[in-house]
Amino acid sequence: EVQLVESGGGLVQPGGSLRLSCAASGFSVSSNYMSWVRQAPGKGLEWVSVIYSGGSTYYADSVKGRFTISRDNSKNTLFLQMNSLRAEDTAVYYCARGGILPSNQKGNWFDPWGQGTLVTVSS
Amino acid sequence: QTVVTQEPSFSVSPGGTVTLTCGLNSGSVSTNNYPSWYQQTPGQAPRTLIYSTNTRSSGVPDRFSGSILGNKAALTITGAQADDESDYYCVLYMGGGIWVFGGGTKLTVL
Repeated sequence: EVQLVESGGGLVQPGGSLRLSCAASGFSVSSNYMSWVRQAPGKGLEWVSVIYSGGSTYYADSVKGRFTISRDNSKNTLFLQMNSLRAEDTAVYYCARGGILPSNQKGNWFDPWGQGTLVTVSS
Repeated sequence: QTVVTQEPSFSVSPGGTVTLTCGLNSGSVSTNNYPSWYQQTPGQAPRTLIYSTNTRSSGVPDRFSGSILGNKAALTITGAQADDESDYYCVLYMGGGIWVFGGGTKLTVL
């Protein structure tokens, strides 16, 4: 069964750091493109970052320079290192696999999704 | 700055048909944006409904369909049911490894 399980969320002070993990099962993180998507309380979804199988990474402007996406192939786990955290980073963070079309081309959608982990930035 | 627009809210009667749209503040949505749609109920992770404009995800009822209507992507629900009452999000791929979500549409079935 294809599954994603996030962990690492919690309460952190403004300016602090936190590392989120997303453990994958049923498929290989290294062979797929993986994203983080967040949702502030009562707000909509916001794409945060992607890492491609070749290692290229991209970020939303709101987190560029503060967040780093990475993976550990041996642990089949995706990470999001979050530094210089701000109150506006408070959100549930979801990891998601990128969709692949039958033609083996990237389909640029997100599926499946993990259950999410809550990050609260507050003093 | 790219903004993806969705109706903040919509209402549909049970059994009725509703079309939610997903547009861009500048320019038109095309299949090259790979529009996808997600359904989310409170406290739950999003569920994929439609990808690549009009392909239903596995297990999604055929009352959900996706298309391009004019210069927007569209999600049509035909024969709405009570449990379709949810938040619906579209996301567009902008190229260069960047995606942008719409603000979401809160659908009420009454």
